[in-house]
Amino acid sequence: ETGVTQTPRHLVMGMTNKKSLKCEQHLGHNAMYWYKQSAKKPLELMFVYSLEERVENNSVPSRFSPECPNSSHLFLHLHTLQPEDSALYLCASSQAAGGATGELFFGEGSRLTVL
Amino acid sequence: GENVEQHPSTLSVQEGDSAVIKCTYSDSASNYFPWYKQELGKRPQLIIDIRSNVGEKKDQRIAVTLNKTAKHFSLHITETQPEDSAVYFCAASIGNQGGKLIFGQGTELSVKP
Repeated sequence: ETGVTQTPRHLVMGMTNKKSLKCEQHLGHNAMYWYKQSAKKPLELMFVYSLEERVENNSVPSRFSPECPNSSHLFLHLHTLQPEDSALYLCASSQAAGGATGELFFGEGSRLTVL
Repeated sequence: GENVEQHPSTLSVQEGDSAVIKCTYSDSASNYFPWYKQELGKRPQLIIDIRSNVGEKKDQRIAVTLNKTAKHFSLHITETQPEDSAVYFCAASIGNQGGKLIFGQGTELSVKP
């Protein structure tokens, strides 16, 4: 599949587990994002990476740890999560974090359930 | 902090009618306002966007209007069809940084045949 792909699509974990979400974009974009989508809430921007450098960290708890090894890959490492962290985690990419075009291309999301 | 308010949260219309969704934003430096459509179980996808130097933009049955003075923008869908049923999100850029967006709460649109 071209575009933005996320794995796994579904993840169930206990509060003491450590897991990672993976995102890969095949669009040649320079910026990648993690958004959190909870029921009845707007999409919340978590992290922004531009040219592999983190440029935004929106007061996200340290139990979420992003990693961007190159401009095509983005990870979200999860540890000691809480049940309220259960949500759909959406990865997105854009040509740049700022500037002329802001269109975000989203992945299908990773549905996380914390028991 | 910056926020975007979106109304209504749910909207039900008959096929062929028009639908209007409204958003207000707080950051006067915002200059990019996209609308995303998210069908059930699918990813959000951009349907139309507008920049602050334009007051209105149209693409077939979809139009967006922007009032920078009042800090509000609206999505208009004419001749609605059942396949328009989805959740629609408005968003505003954080300042002039197009890719960093604040989203509204979403509007669940249902088009009844």
